[in-house]
Order: sequence, then structure tokens, then C-alpha cells
Amino acid sequence: QVQLVESGGGLVKPGGSLRLSCAASGFSFSVSSMNWIRQAPGKGLEWVSSMSSSGATIYYADSVKGRFTISRDNAKNSLYLQINSLRAEDTAVYYCATDSGSDFDYWGQGTLVTVSS
Amino acid sequence: EIVLTQSPGTLSLSPGERATLSCRASQSVSSRYLAWYQQKPGQAPRLLIYGASNRATGIPDRFGGSGSGTDFTLSINRLEPEDFAVYYCQQFGGSWWTFGQGTKVEIK
Repeated sequence: QVQLVESGGGLVKPGGSLRLSCAASGFSFSVSSMNWIRQAPGKGLEWVSSMSSSGATIYYADSVKGRFTISRDNAKNSLYLQINSLRAEDTAVYYCATDSGSDFDYWGQGTLVTVSS
Repeated sequence: EIVLTQSPGTLSLSPGERATLSCRASQSVSSRYLAWYQQKPGQAPRLLIYGASNRATGIPDRFGGSGSGTDFTLSINRLEPEDFAVYYCQQFGGSWWTFGQGTKVEIK
């Protein structure tokens, strides 16, 4: 079955950096577009970034452009999100998810990023 | 950017009742690109409906989606105890995705 397992979250000071990882199994990762979606505590869902199967096409939400970098390693079935210049408003659970072209069909359980001094 | 507005914010119903959730877009959305998700506390969202009216794999037929243009609806017939959750609509804009703010369906 499809499994997506995020890791790398934690407590970080404002201005700091983190690298989130998503380990995928149970499907053909190398032909799947992948995404990061976040959810601030008690709030709704916000799409963050998307990467095509080959890595050639990348999109970012305006709120993270220039600070976040999505990447993937198809040989390792892994997706990454490098988060720099962290702000308090980046505090959230970060989910990785597959997309079928327009919707998110499988999700991981998420990893919590807390930005606080 | 297309904004999705969901209503009501909270819906208080009893098991066995029918729930009707609304998602209104600030501009016309292709039905092909409108989806609904269910999220329970402490869990990741789960895809319920894609393409406005197609149930995702394993979703019971008491869940139904409809609508077009700027107005979309998620209906849940005969609410089961496990259906009490938060529901989000979502649209795809070609190079970005947006979600509605969510509707909480709670037990009355």
C-alpha cells in the first residue's frame, strides 16, 4: 500500500533552517508528482510546493517563494523541502502528498515544525 | 488567485441526518479541478471527491459531490458517527492549488 513518511521537523529559532524529508513506498515514486502542504495549529490547509516526477517543473506558493526549496531523489524514493529564514508563521504540520494532476490522493501523517525563540 | 469560501463554518447535526456543505469560488473553476477532503483530529486529510463529483477509492456512496462554475456542494447522506470531521474543498489553478477554510461537521 502507499506509504508516505515525513521526518525532519522540530523546534527551530526564527531565521533558522530545516530540511524535511518524505520517504515514499508502495507506488511508482519516480513517475509521480509530489507536493508539500502545511497546516498551522488549529488552522486550514495551505499548499506550499509541487515538483513534477522528473523534477523539471516546480511551483511554490507566494508565501514561501525564495525561502523554501523542494527537491527529490527518485533513486531513494524521497522528497525533500529545504526551509530557510524561518518565521513564526511557518509553524505548522508539513505533509507530503502525491497528486494526480489536480488533487492530492495520498498523504503522509505529517511532521511538525515549530518556529520559536 | 481563486479564493474558495466554504459555508457554513460549523454544521451541527445528529447521526442519520443529511449534511450539505457549500464551497463557493471567487471565479469560475473547472469541475475537473475541484476536490473535497475529510480530516479527523490528529490525522492527515483524506481525499473524498475529485472532479467535483467522483468518489475516491474506498469512499462510501453516502458521500456525493455536485456543482459547477463557482458553486459546489458536498452532501453526506445519513451521517455515520465516523463522518463527524472537518471538510475542505480544494481547486487547482494550473500552477497553484488553494483550499477553502473548512467546514466542521459536529455532533448535535
